[in-house]
Amino acid sequence: GQNIDQPTEMTATEGAIVQINCTYQTSGFNGLFWYQQHAGEAPTFLSYNVLDGLEEKGRFSSFLSRSKGYSYLLLKELQMKDSASYLCAVRAALIRGSYIPTFGRGTSLIVHP
Amino acid sequence: EAQVTQNPRYLITVTGKKLTVTCSQNMNHEYMSWYRQDPGLGLRQIYYSMNVEVTDKGDVPEGYKVSRKEKRNFPLILESPSPNQTSLYFCASSLKGGAIYEQYFGPGTRLTVT
Repeated sequence: GQNIDQPTEMTATEGAIVQINCTYQTSGFNGLFWYQQHAGEAPTFLSYNVLDGLEEKGRFSSFLSRSKGYSYLLLKELQMKDSASYLCAVRAALIRGSYIPTFGRGTSLIVHP
Repeated sequence: EAQVTQNPRYLITVTGKKLTVTCSQNMNHEYMSWYRQDPGLGLRQIYYSMNVEVTDKGDVPEGYKVSRKEKRNFPLILESPSPNQTSLYFCASSLKGGAIYEQYFGPGTRLTVT
């Protein structure tokens, strides 16, 4: 089976930097995604990591360490609109050519002035 | 505009009354899937489809059926809904079922079964 852990809730101040961690235990790992989900809306893709290291995309960066089963999403220069839930999703379990994604429970980030 | 659409967006129904939630994508994606999202449990996959006429169970398939007769459509069928199927449902699609492809999600269907 697969197990994905991320903090339930985090708070941060506008303009600051926040790091959201995700740890996972899985067999057949083949990539980790981060999605952003605003309340009542659909998840939207933020980043994808399959190799170790840091992927930077504007204010958002994502890091992966496969040996440690660990990833983080780094958000810089926080804005109020960044208040959302951040979902970590691991691709593993190859079945008939498809990797079944497993989502963590999400981290609710609250950005305050 | 590239998108995934779902209908209805909101539905209140009674136990045992069959219902279908439609999902359609206009991106010519091969891979489509259905998720349910419940407080404290996150997104859980119900069924997925690698391509036309190819469907398979996800983590929580009990009480649901799907079909994939056309590439663009992937309806979710609840033959006899029960209150424990009250949830927020998302349809998603990606270019292929391989690991590197991001998923595009529909706007969600909030279902209440009384």
